Amino acid sequence: QSVLTQPPSASGTPGQRVTISCSGSSSNIGSNYVYWYQQLPGTAPKLLIYRNNQRPSGVPDRFSGSKSGTSASLAISGLRSEDEADYYCAAWDDSLSGCYVFGTGTKVTVL
Amino acid sequence: QVQLQESGPGLVKPSETLSLTCTVSGGSISSYYWSWIRQPPGKGLEWIGYIYYSGSTNYNPSLKSRVTISVDTSKNQFSLKLSSVTAADTAVYYCARLTSGVLGFPYYYMDVWGKGTTVTVSS
Repeated sequence: QSVLTQPPSASGTPGQRVTISCSGSSSNIGSNYVYWYQQLPGTAPKLLIYRNNQRPSGVPDRFSGSKSGTSASLAISGLRSEDEADYYCAAWDDSLSGCYVFGTGTKVTVL
Repeated sequence: QVQLQESGPGLVKPSETLSLTCTVSGGSISSYYWSWIRQPPGKGLEWIGYIYYSGSTNYNPSLKSRVTISVDTSKNQFSLKLSSVTAADTAVYYCARLTSGVLGFPYYYMDVWGKGTTVTVSS
């Protein structure tokens, strides 16, 4: 039921920059903030980015978020082995009575 | 530091009701929204709904007819009930704190998560 579309996979070597896209519509990304969650293997998701580009305390500045129109992106610079995880974008969707929607998820592999 | 812990049966029979509880420790359940999210095996995240400590709720339209989320402030707990379950409801169920407000636009994000509990629907 995901209404936010992400590429299924992305990869890079240590030290490289990786970018993940998230495509939505006017009822979600186009009119609301975007959030990003990181899910390490076998663990619960963790908030990575909130309100488009804000990092919670403790999240390295290697992670950055941006939004333009109905799309958003997450960039990971200086890729490290511990960044290997699933990444999900999310946003509030104003259609129907309102619903929090997640992206399809992107598996990042560090080569 | 706020911590969340899900609890409930790990196995539910088809057509029955799934019931889970999330216990909040290290902080009060008051003044926050609280949410349930699930993740089927090998699949992505699905938001189920949220409840405010006062009792107001909002559910995912795709599950609304089967979902009830309630809160017990005296126990610092909130709960999920999902009725008429099928194998498609097999998933890891997470509870989370939902921080919300308005800064130009409304914002909502889950900043504290439980570790999750696996629920299997099978006879």
